[in-house]
Amino acid sequence: EAGVTQFPSHSVIEKGQTVTLRCDPISGHDNLYWYRRVMGKEIKFLLHFVKESKQDESGMPNNRFLAERTGGTYSTLKVQPAELEDSGVYFCASSPVLGVMVAGELFFGEGSRLTVL
Amino acid sequence: ILNVEQSPQSLHVQEGDSTNFTCSFPSSNFYALHWYRWETAKSPEALFVMTLNGDEKKKGRISATLNTKEGYSYLYIKGSQPEDSATYLCALLDYGGSQGNLIFGKGTKLSVKP
Repeated sequence: EAGVTQFPSHSVIEKGQTVTLRCDPISGHDNLYWYRRVMGKEIKFLLHFVKESKQDESGMPNNRFLAERTGGTYSTLKVQPAELEDSGVYFCASSPVLGVMVAGELFFGEGSRLTVL
Repeated sequence: ILNVEQSPQSLHVQEGDSTNFTCSFPSSNFYALHWYRWETAKSPEALFVMTLNGDEKKKGRISATLNTKEGYSYLYIKGSQPEDSATYLCALLDYGGSQGNLIFGKGTKLSVKP
C-alpha cells in the first residue's frame, strides 16, 4: 500500500514568487494534516482537514498560506507571495477515521523542502 | 503556550551501548504522547502512542515509559545499532487541541558509531 506522498520533494523559489505543494494521503484516510519545520526549530502544526473540510487551521501563519482539499482526496498548500521566513520542510500526514476519544498515530510523508531566496 | 522539551539535543554512542532520552511536557490537559523516529529526507515514523499513566510500550530493542502526573516520558534503546541513528521526536496531544494538532519537541538526534 502506498504511503503518504508529497510533491515536489524540493523547491527553490525567489521571494515574492508562488509555490504550490501537493500531498496525496493514504487511500481511505479522511484526516489530512499539514505541518512545517523551520530549520533549527520544532515541527509545528499548520492545519487539519477531515475529508474536504478544514477542522482546525489555527496553525496557519498568515493569509499568504492557502490550503485546499477539493473532493476530500489530495491536498494542496499554496504560499503566495513567498517570504524568506517561509523556508523549511512542509510535512503532510494522514490518519484514518477514529473514534472520538482515540489518539492514533499519524502517517507522515517525506516532506517538501522549500527554499525561498 | 504549551512547550514540549526533549533532552539531550544530541547524543553520540558506540554500537552496543544502551541509551535513553527524555521528553517533558505540561501534565495538565494531557491526552496522549507520541514518539516518532525520523531520518532526514525520510518520513517520520511512529514508534508509540501512549495515553495512560504508567504505560510501558516496547518495539524490538526500543521501549518507552510514560508518567503523566509529573509530565515526562523516557525512550530507551537497548544495544544501539548504527541503523538506530536518527532524530527521535516526541509530540504531545493536548486535551484542548484538535485531534492531530500535535505539539512537537525539537527532538533528540542520536548517532551510533560502529
